[in-house]
Amino acid sequence: QQQVKQSPQSLIVQKGGIPIINCAYENTAFDYFPWYQQFPGKGPALLIAIRPDVSEKKEGRFTISFNKSAKQFSLHIMDSQPGDSATYFCAASGGGGSNYKLTFGKGTLLTVNP
Amino acid sequence: NAGVTQTPKFQVLKTGQSMTLQCAQDMNHNSMYWYRQDPGMGLRLIYYSASEGTTDKGEVPNGYNVSRLNKREFSLRLESAAPSQTSVYFCASRTPGSSPLHFGNGTRLTVT
Repeated sequence: QQQVKQSPQSLIVQKGGIPIINCAYENTAFDYFPWYQQFPGKGPALLIAIRPDVSEKKEGRFTISFNKSAKQFSLHIMDSQPGDSATYFCAASGGGGSNYKLTFGKGTLLTVNP
Repeated sequence: NAGVTQTPKFQVLKTGQSMTLQCAQDMNHNSMYWYRQDPGMGLRLIYYSASEGTTDKGEVPNGYNVSRLNKREFSLRLESAAPSQTSVYFCASRTPGSSPLHFGNGTRLTVT
């Protein structure tokens, strides 16, 4: 049972475009929703994270939008650059015994063309 | 500041061979994790250790064993490698709760 569903699998945009990656979760006990960025040959690194008490969080060109009632959250990248080309993972954790574990989506391969 | 260090970076095994993947963190984190990453499958949790002295199964534990040697070190052992275990393995650590996972750069394992 996949608890975090991520879409799309891959995404190609032109420089300056605004790619949007979506995630949906099932477990209402989740209370921490991070996004990770991974470059080839490297481990994932935290990009930005949100808790369900806010509907939006912005850090630089990266914004998370959160819809608690729909159990969905998304990543927007403003003014995308070729250097943003990477794989992006959403994740979720929280709720009693699962507080120690992050459940990841399957990832989105983003390509930003110059 | 090393963060999370994994060794080796690459390994090729024959079916049935055994090996241990090593992981060490210098951030004084309580919790440590082993994930595997396969194309189209994302990151799947193999085992984790919430704190020194404890280990628990994750989503895909079959064929693996772990040891939390001390607070810094968490190893993953394949007793009898199978081609289905060909993957990239990531170790990670964090403090419990709403805190980020810090990943190593992975071990790319091929089992022939």
